[in-house]
Amino acid sequence: DAGVIQSPRHEVTEMGQEVTLRCKPISGHNSLFWYRQTMMRGLELLIYFNNNVPIDDSGMPEDRFSAKMPNASFSTLKIQPSEPRDSAVYFCASRGGLASYNEQFFGPGTRLTVL
Amino acid sequence: AQKVTQAQTEISVVEKEDVTLDCVYETRDTTYYLFWYKQPPSGELVFLIRRNSFDEQNEISGRYSWNFQKSTSSFNFTITASQVVDSAVYFCALSEATGTYKYIFGTGTRLKVLA
Repeated sequence: DAGVIQSPRHEVTEMGQEVTLRCKPISGHNSLFWYRQTMMRGLELLIYFNNNVPIDDSGMPEDRFSAKMPNASFSTLKIQPSEPRDSAVYFCASRGGLASYNEQFFGPGTRLTVL
Repeated sequence: AQKVTQAQTEISVVEKEDVTLDCVYETRDTTYYLFWYKQPPSGELVFLIRRNSFDEQNEISGRYSWNFQKSTSSFNFTITASQVVDSAVYFCALSEATGTYKYIFGTGTRLKVLA
């Protein structure tokens, strides 16, 4: 079975440009999470969807960030306009079921560099 | 408040040595779940184990073993006869049974296994 798929794997862009990160969760999973990993702040949860509905977006740093999940098999995280401090690795994870005991499965991540 | 502490920032061992990675957590919930993830140099996050708060049995999987002690709020991870391929950052995480189903991650322990 395919795991969580993220694209692109690497993205280099210039400050001010729009960036869109994509995620395909594991088939049948109904919870999806977006994380950001930096050296300074470690792993941070940005937003969490359940059954395609955003449940908790308290980790989204500011209005420049937005996330959507139009269907059960696709989610996007958009940054507009991007800034150098957005440079990080962005992970998508999915989980089967509501129960918090279910482990999250992570995608390979997208390494974003904003120049 | 929930918190996960991995006090060891970095550990270096020589191949074939045993090594224990510490994880101490704080929670007010009586039902919660603990996880370990491995992040190898390639960057992906790999699920290793889940333990629920009602199951204090230790677990062994090959060279890996986990010691869960509620009395000390610890969930330590031991690698026996370490190998170079074990070199990675290891994260401990806490998820509570009520509330937002978020992971609370520790800051990670970087393990270097030297040949």
